[in-house]
Amino acid sequence: RKEVEQDPGPFNVPEGATVAFNCTYSNSASQSFFWYRQDCRKEPKLLMSVYSSGNEDGRFTAQLNRASQYISLLIRDSKLSDSATYLCVVSFLTGGFKTIFGAGTRLFVKA
Amino acid sequence: DAGVTQSPTHLIKTRGQHVTLRCSPISGHKSVSWYQQVLGQGPQFIFQYYEKEERGRGNFPDRFSARQFPNYSSELNVNALLLGDSALYLCASSLQGQTNYGYTFGSGTRLTVV
Repeated sequence: RKEVEQDPGPFNVPEGATVAFNCTYSNSASQSFFWYRQDCRKEPKLLMSVYSSGNEDGRFTAQLNRASQYISLLIRDSKLSDSATYLCVVSFLTGGFKTIFGAGTRLFVKA
Repeated sequence: DAGVTQSPTHLIKTRGQHVTLRCSPISGHKSVSWYQQVLGQGPQFIFQYYEKEERGRGNFPDRFSARQFPNYSSELNVNALLLGDSALYLCASSLQGQTNYGYTFGSGTRLTVV
């Protein structure tokens, strides 16, 4: 089992749609959780950290369920500019510190 | 303010050669991490350094090594290059090793091994 697994993509949605991404992680000692966005041939950029209480930033909402070891990202009112690859990231301290990225989920938002 | 800077931006090497990639973190950041990203995959963790000490290592062979300098900049070294080492190498910095504030990435060094 991969340490971080994401929904297979791509997701093709119309503008204005709501889209949800899920991610599961295997290490129960995981400590920090993030969603990153990566545009084609660019570096990843932090979208938001994910906290146990859940957090929201404009149209984006992230949730963490430690018991089930999954993280979610909800994007409301999708914009064309949301088209990108979304990467789930988990950090943990097991045998040294590690930061593990999921393979990413590609999102296409169409007019 | 300068972000994370990496050099060179592109590099072509021959199999068996050695390469050194460089990274300067954001001013005030004391932790640097290195990642390898091949097309279609997420970044793979190679190393993390904090306060000049290795704090974490991913599943990469001993041909990969790194160090962090007193000014917190870092080098990634790869010996005996293989064709499979061709990838985008990303450096990320953060204030400290364990953080809830995420990591800021440089734009990467694209390494091609021929």
